[in-house]
Amino acid sequence: EAQVTQNPRYLITVTGKKLTVTCSQNMNHEYMSWYRQDPGLGLRQIYYSMNVEVTDKGDVPEGYKVSRKEKRNFPLILESPSPNQTSLYFCASTRLAGVSYNEQFFGPGTRLTVL
Amino acid sequence: GEDVEQSLFLSVREGDSSVINCTYTDSSSTYLYWYKQEPGAGLQLLTYIFSNMDMKQDQRLTVLLNKKDKHLSLRIADTQTGDSAIYFCADARGGGATNKLIFGTGTLLAVQP
Repeated sequence: EAQVTQNPRYLITVTGKKLTVTCSQNMNHEYMSWYRQDPGLGLRQIYYSMNVEVTDKGDVPEGYKVSRKEKRNFPLILESPSPNQTSLYFCASTRLAGVSYNEQFFGPGTRLTVL
Repeated sequence: GEDVEQSLFLSVREGDSSVINCTYTDSSSTYLYWYKQEPGAGLQLLTYIFSNMDMKQDQRLTVLLNKKDKHLSLRIADTQTGDSAIYFCADARGGGATNKLIFGTGTLLAVQP
């Protein structure tokens, strides 16, 4: 089954304690990205990657890091989490844009609370 | 600017039609999308429309695009309780083929039995 998986699904942590949210896709997609969803703001892109070892900042990258060592995995790293990073996080993947429409496949989400 | 705007909430009765509206600012958009987010789940693509189309119909869903006014709408006919969800419009930014999506704020659709 084609899917994007994220772990953990729920996480409560404290300020400053480094954490990693994993993301994995089994569709051999080149493009992967991370979004955060906040009430009244919709989804905002944090980082994206167009292929292995190619990553770039999205619209709200401050406080986050990513890596893309393998095509299927795209972890999101919070080196020193702060309360303003409390949010719902989604990983998404898609093939690189071509001449047709592009469906992005989303993971189930990770709800993060930073105390 | 890069804004994609939607109203935050819509309530309808079961069996009625729902119309969710969206406005966007980038005139170079190639595709516009509607995603559905059910409670506790990720987003799923519901439908999309190419920018040279005015309308697209898919079973109970009708998408209308007014490029002049940069207005997109999603009409759901015979709305069911299972349609209760948050609906996001998304704009494929940058013209041509692009992976970057700019999402609207989302509209929570509540269907009353």
